[in-house]
Amino acid sequence: AQKITQTQPGMFVQEKEAVTLDCTYDTSDPSYGLFWYKQPSSGEMIFLIYQGSYDQQNATEGRYSLNFQKARKSANLVISASQLGDSAMYFCAMREAPGYKYIFGTGTRLKVLA
Amino acid sequence: SAVISQKPSRDICQRGTSLTIQCQVDSQVTMMFWYRQQPGQSLTLIATANQGSEATYESGFVIDKFPISRPNLTFSTLTVSNMSPEDSSIYLCSVGRGREIMNTEAFFGQGTRLTVV
Repeated sequence: AQKITQTQPGMFVQEKEAVTLDCTYDTSDPSYGLFWYKQPSSGEMIFLIYQGSYDQQNATEGRYSLNFQKARKSANLVISASQLGDSAMYFCAMREAPGYKYIFGTGTRLKVLA
Repeated sequence: SAVISQKPSRDICQRGTSLTIQCQVDSQVTMMFWYRQQPGQSLTLIATANQGSEATYESGFVIDKFPISRPNLTFSTLTVSNMSPEDSSIYLCSVGRGREIMNTEAFFGQGTRLTVV
């Protein structure tokens, strides 16, 4: 079974609009971490935001926020006020015990339209 | 944060040969990871390399094909052995701090773009 599922291979959003990128995960461990990364065409991996399984509040970092619904096992990334520079591949990842490795979803390619 | 230097950045290799990729970190880190990424695809974990122990390989990856060294807390190598065109990919080194601390992000090197001809 897939640990991390991103069902949107590609998304378009108009500049200055908000967009939600979906991520669902599968784990039986009560302690885990969820991460979102951005990978522009240059190939570098840029960390965006983190959500812990015990966190009571949804994480926010500037224009990025994470809509964490634990019962549904979803951790959707919301980008507000999209910019042209947000065009990139976005990956959701999970970290859990016992290996503490980072497992990535298949990614969503976001294109921001002017 | 951690700064990761990965070498080479790219290479073109003949089939049947081997390539060793180096990963140098500017600080001591507990966990190092090696990933493979086809262009436009996701990151697939090859193995986890912890200093002082054998690397732990994911399903579908074996030590004979991808031997890994981790001689100290700042350095690791991944060798792609007996290469075939199917090994053409981007290989990424990544580090993570504090295996007992969940809320630390992974940091990545710039990747090695390997083409096997």
